Amino acid sequence: DTGVSQDPRHKITKRGQNVTFRCDPISEHNRLYWYRQTLGQGPEFLTYFQNEAQLEKSRLLSDRFSAERPKGSFSTLEIQRTEQGDSAMYLCASSLAARFDRGASGTAISQETQYFGPGTRLLVL
Amino acid sequence: AQKVTQAQTEISVVEKEDVTLDCVYETRDTTYYLFWYKQPPSGELVFLIRRNSFDEQNEISGRYSWNFQKSTSSFNFTITASQVVDSAVYFCALIKAAGNKLTFGGGTRVLVKP
Repeated sequence: DTGVSQDPRHKITKRGQNVTFRCDPISEHNRLYWYRQTLGQGPEFLTYFQNEAQLEKSRLLSDRFSAERPKGSFSTLEIQRTEQGDSAMYLCASSLAARFDRGASGTAISQETQYFGPGTRLLVL
Repeated sequence: AQKVTQAQTEISVVEKEDVTLDCVYETRDTTYYLFWYKQPPSGELVFLIRRNSFDEQNEISGRYSWNFQKSTSSFNFTITASQVVDSAVYFCALIKAAGNKLTFGGGTRVLVKP
């Protein structure tokens, strides 16, 4: 069973250029997350997908950022017109969320562990 | 809003010493999950442990142990007989049961010297 993979591992670009990162989740996982981590800080949530649907976006995700997950498999994160403030580690994670029966209480979604990829380190010059 | 605080920014120990990492959290949710992740210099976040808010049983796994105290909103992590390979940044994280995003603390850098 392979883990979460990300490509590229490192990216250096000039301010104003567009960049695209790819994430391949663990194969049976239906949820995929993007986080951003700046130097010396903990990761911060950007967005997540349940299958192919993008269900939540953080305010950190400006209009220059766009994420897709066509066919509910791999995901791409594109940053347009990069700025020096975009320099960070971009982490992808995946998990398996399943609906389970709680009897009289109805159904609920199980909260499964998020497994992270190695990250893409972006440097904007 | 949720918040996770790791007051220790860096801990330096000599090999074979024990090291305890503190984590304090804030949440209004009654059901939530707590995690510890390890981030070695390579950058990948490695999952270590997950705890449900309704399960306060402490756990030992090899050289790792965890102390969950709901009354004080703390979820501390101890490495016994530390090794050089334990050198990394350790993150505590929280997610509410119906939530989708992990809230991370600022991390504690552990440096184990030979």
